[in-house]
Amino acid sequence: DAGVIQSPRHEVTEMGQEVTLRCKPISGHDYLFWYRQTMMRGLELLIYFNNNVPIDDSGMPEDRFSAKMPNASFSTLKIQPSEPRDSAVYFCASTLDADYNEQFFGPGTRLTVL
Amino acid sequence: AQSVSQHNHHVILSEAASLELGCNYSYGGTVNLFWYVQYPGQHLQLLLKYFSGDPLVKGIKGFEAEFIKSKFSFNLRKPSVQWSDTAEYFCAVNAANTGNQFYFGTGTSLTVIP
Repeated sequence: DAGVIQSPRHEVTEMGQEVTLRCKPISGHDYLFWYRQTMMRGLELLIYFNNNVPIDDSGMPEDRFSAKMPNASFSTLKIQPSEPRDSAVYFCASTLDADYNEQFFGPGTRLTVL
Repeated sequence: AQSVSQHNHHVILSEAASLELGCNYSYGGTVNLFWYVQYPGQHLQLLLKYFSGDPLVKGIKGFEAEFIKSKFSFNLRKPSVQWSDTAEYFCAVNAANTGNQFYFGTGTSLTVIP
């Protein structure tokens, strides 16, 4: 398996634009997580899915952020409209449908909002 | 709510020095504990994990961690660091009955000077 795949790897956009980040989890993994990493706040959990259903989105900063998982092999994180304070590295991770398993992380998307 | 504390934000060591990074968590029930490493420009990778059994866990690249339940701690150690250990280190906790949610510490940046 190629591991967790994220695209794009880098995104530079202007304030007010819509940004869509994509993630493909490892095949067979039923849990998918979206994280945001910044220098100030470290690694924050934004939302996670189980079997394509959002379980906990309490970490989503505000209504400008939304995430979907239309099927088991694809998820998106959308920011509309984007703001400079959204600049961060966004990681996607997946894990098996069982307790006590490690999370496998994707390479991340480095987002810069000008 | 559960939380994970990493007391050392930035550590600078010379090669061959010994390393100990602190990690404390707040959760009174059964936990699974992890250390992840993020090398410069790369994604998070699992370093080691503790689920049950021997509280002294050995991971890759000579790292080990000790789970001390009474202290709610899971400190990471390495007897002799190398320049290639320069990275960001994250402690994480997966508490039982939390729906597979992971809680990460803010990370410790380790710089090893040749």
